[in-house]
Amino acid sequence: AQSVTQLDSQVPVFEEAPVELRCNYSSSVSVYLFWYVQYPNQGLQLLLKYLSGSTLVKGINGFEAEFNKSQTSFHLRKPSVHISDTAEYFCAVSRTSGTYKYIFGTGTRLKVLA
Amino acid sequence: DARVTQTPRHKVTEMGQEVTMRCQPILGHNTVFWYRQTMMQGLELLAYFRNRAPLDDSGMPKDRFSAEMPDATLATLKIQPSEPRDSAVYFCASGLYDYEQYFGPGTRLTVT
Repeated sequence: AQSVTQLDSQVPVFEEAPVELRCNYSSSVSVYLFWYVQYPNQGLQLLLKYLSGSTLVKGINGFEAEFNKSQTSFHLRKPSVHISDTAEYFCAVSRTSGTYKYIFGTGTRLKVLA
Repeated sequence: DARVTQTPRHKVTEMGQEVTMRCQPILGHNTVFWYRQTMMQGLELLAYFRNRAPLDDSGMPKDRFSAEMPDATLATLKIQPSEPRDSAVYFCASGLYDYEQYFGPGTRLTVT
């Protein structure tokens, strides 16, 4: 079975500062990894995904994430955040074969301060 | 810009009533997922369809919940009878490949 741990429930950061949202996973099989963003009263939007290949993945809105197999991590980063980045961010994992159910982390609430 | 649509966006109902939520997946997508989101439990997968066939509904309370895909353009989630503990936001997601999921805006259900 797979599991996902998002270590921080809330992350406050000042505007234009860098941010890292942490995600660790556990799995005995190969996985795909995802980051989603949820703005208030909206559905989840895919930020980026790691399927294979380069371990550094670039996504929308200036976000990127690095897959680290040895540390079983997939941390999300942005070099300079904006007020509009305030949202909930979810890390998710799925198997690479068989059923592709997502296992979601509990989410990290990013609050960007002026 | 293709999107998953869900209706209704908001639903308030009394305990014991039947609730039906509808989802129109993105045209051409062959996988559909139903999730429930609450503050306490986070995002929970309720059901998962591929090519309209249910693959996994282990996350769904079988006694009151049912999920179907009467055709490729419509997925439904029904609760009968509804209970206050069913109050949540219900999301539908669709994908062309199993590893892709595009979420709808959700149905916010309140059961009083």
